[in-house]
Amino acid sequence: AQSVSQHNHHVILSEAASLELGCNYSYGGTVNLFWYVQYPGQHLQLLLKYFSGDPLVKGIKGFEAEFIKSKFSFNLRKPSVQWSDTAEYFCAVTHFKAAGNKLTFGGGTRVLVKP
Amino acid sequence: NAGVTQTPKFQVLKTGQSMTLQCAQDMNHEYMSWYRQDPGMGLRLIHYSVGAGITDQGEVPNGYNVSRSTTEDFPLRLLSAAPSQTSVYFCASSPDRYEQYFGPGTRLTVT
Repeated sequence: AQSVSQHNHHVILSEAASLELGCNYSYGGTVNLFWYVQYPGQHLQLLLKYFSGDPLVKGIKGFEAEFIKSKFSFNLRKPSVQWSDTAEYFCAVTHFKAAGNKLTFGGGTRVLVKP
Repeated sequence: NAGVTQTPKFQVLKTGQSMTLQCAQDMNHEYMSWYRQDPGMGLRLIHYSVGAGITDQGEVPNGYNVSRSTTEDFPLRLLSAAPSQTSVYFCASSPDRYEQYFGPGTRLTVT
């Protein structure tokens, strides 16, 4: 079974600092990769996704992620965070042959941005 | 479009009680799913459906039932609530096999 690992459970940083959240997955075949964000008290929203093509994917709110197939990784980055980026971030994977729409999620990373 | 709606927002149950969490979407999506969210474990798939009349089990199906009689609705039934089912439940729908749209969640406490 595929699995998704997010290395950091909690990250605390100051405004304007750079953010990088790690994500590794275990499935060896063709995958589709996602980052979702959950702001306090809100539901999950899609930040960005990778299906194919350019491995550097740009999403909303200045986030980007890089797919490195050889490392089974899909790390999320933002050059300069704002207080409003305080949220929980989830990496998720579905593989090409998955039946239905089975997303496998990582455990999440809580990010706190101090003003 | 209202998107994906879930009711109730909050619910407290006693052990052994049953209830149904409602989920509806107005985007005519074929795919719908139920997840539970627990601290440090991300979201885990309970059940999913690829269309009306078709459902299948996800990663953690025990203690839950689903049905999909219409494209719009995908209720989740807890047969006999247990404290281990205390969680936040999210319903999601998607137009294809990949991108999913999530509802606002139902926070369930079982005492």
